Amino acid sequence: DQQVKQNSPSLSVQEGRISILNCDYTNSMFDYFLWYKKYPAEGPTFLISISSIKDKNEDGRFTVFLNKSAKHLSLHIVPSQPGDSAVYFCAALGNQFYFGTGTSLTVIP
Amino acid sequence: EADIYQTPRYLVIGTGKKITLECSQTMGHDKMYWYQQDPGMELHLIHYSYGVNSTEKGDLSSESTVSRIRTEHFPLTLESARPSHTSQYLCATSTGGRTEAFFGQGTRLTVV
Repeated sequence: DQQVKQNSPSLSVQEGRISILNCDYTNSMFDYFLWYKKYPAEGPTFLISISSIKDKNEDGRFTVFLNKSAKHLSLHIVPSQPGDSAVYFCAALGNQFYFGTGTSLTVIP
Repeated sequence: EADIYQTPRYLVIGTGKKITLECSQTMGHDKMYWYQQDPGMELHLIHYSYGVNSTEKGDLSSESTVSRIRTEHFPLTLESARPSHTSQYLCATSTGGRTEAFFGQGTRLTVV
């Protein structure tokens, strides 16, 4: 059974607007969460992470929010740029990394 | 400059061939991983290693094998490739603590 879920396979956003990518998890023992960006035929690159003791972490245009009670995290990208178009994977760290199925973001110029 | 090197980047081979996918790292990390990923799917862990002479199978059943004779090197071998092995194979490393994993550029394998 999948422990990390990304229920939106794709998302399209206008350039300059906010992109919000969502992720849900089932295991309350997860204590570290990450977002990765992936281009086709390349490996994922790390974007941003958050520890379970925090509810928000910001790095430039990227902010990750964690709602432990809802077992939900989200990635906000503001402002969105065409170069942000890629697949975004949410991951949780327990005894290993658990990945979601990814959300394909398209930023329209 | 990449710190995790995967070769080859792309490989097309015939059914029944033996292949080895190479993964090397210069980061000095103890933990290394092999993932398999198909479009629209999550990354599936197929093998991992805590360090030299340590190898474990991941959650996804795999007909591949791995070895970890040196910290820097974590090759994955398929003894007899089949079309069902067609996928992208990703190697990753981490320190083993509460921190991110770093990925190589992947090997896109096609078995015909």
